[in-house]
Amino acid sequence: EAGVTQFPSHSVIEKGQTVTLRCDPISGHDNLYWYRRVMGKEIKFLLHFVKESKQDESGMPNNRFLAERTGGTYSTLKVQPAELEDSGVYFCASSQLIPGLAHEQYFGPGTRLTVT
Amino acid sequence: RKEVEQDPGPFNVPEGATVAFNCTYSNSASQSFFWYRQDCRKEPKLLMSVYSSGNEDGRFTAQLNRASQYISLLIRDSKLSDSATYLCVVNKPGNTGKLIFGQGTTLQVKP
Repeated sequence: EAGVTQFPSHSVIEKGQTVTLRCDPISGHDNLYWYRRVMGKEIKFLLHFVKESKQDESGMPNNRFLAERTGGTYSTLKVQPAELEDSGVYFCASSQLIPGLAHEQYFGPGTRLTVT
Repeated sequence: RKEVEQDPGPFNVPEGATVAFNCTYSNSASQSFFWYRQDCRKEPKLLMSVYSSGNEDGRFTAQLNRASQYISLLIRDSKLSDSATYLCVVNKPGNTGKLIFGQGTTLQVKP
């Protein structure tokens, strides 16, 4: 079974440009999450989709970040315009939707974003 | 105070040693607890969930103490391949899948 995939693996852009990250969750996983790790800090939650609906977007830094999950399959995270502090590794994770069970989340390899 | 706190280490141990990592969490309402392993420049990989009764998976044993808000991971008979960063992870209480990560504890197993 294929794991969570992310594209691109690396992206280097200039400040003010736009970047779109893509995540394909494990097939059948209704929960999809975005996380980010900036250098020297712990991994932090950005947002959570259940199917195509945003369940929790409390971790989104500001309105320069837009996440979508049309059709409840893959998700995109767009940063527009990018700022220097957006540099970091963006991880996507997915989990099954089983009420009452711990959310065991499986992570993709991440997209390493560098804003110069 | 951080929501999940870990000793960053590094822990340098010889092969075959037993090593224990500890973690504390601040929100007593948290219900789900995990240990993830992260290799350098890779994604976190789920090592094990942590249950109230404690659980064991081969050389790895996890314990949860709700009263003290404390989670532990014990690795017996360390292998070189165990070298990695171990992340203590706790869920955000409420109907959400949001995970809160500790900064990680680095383990280096030496021959």
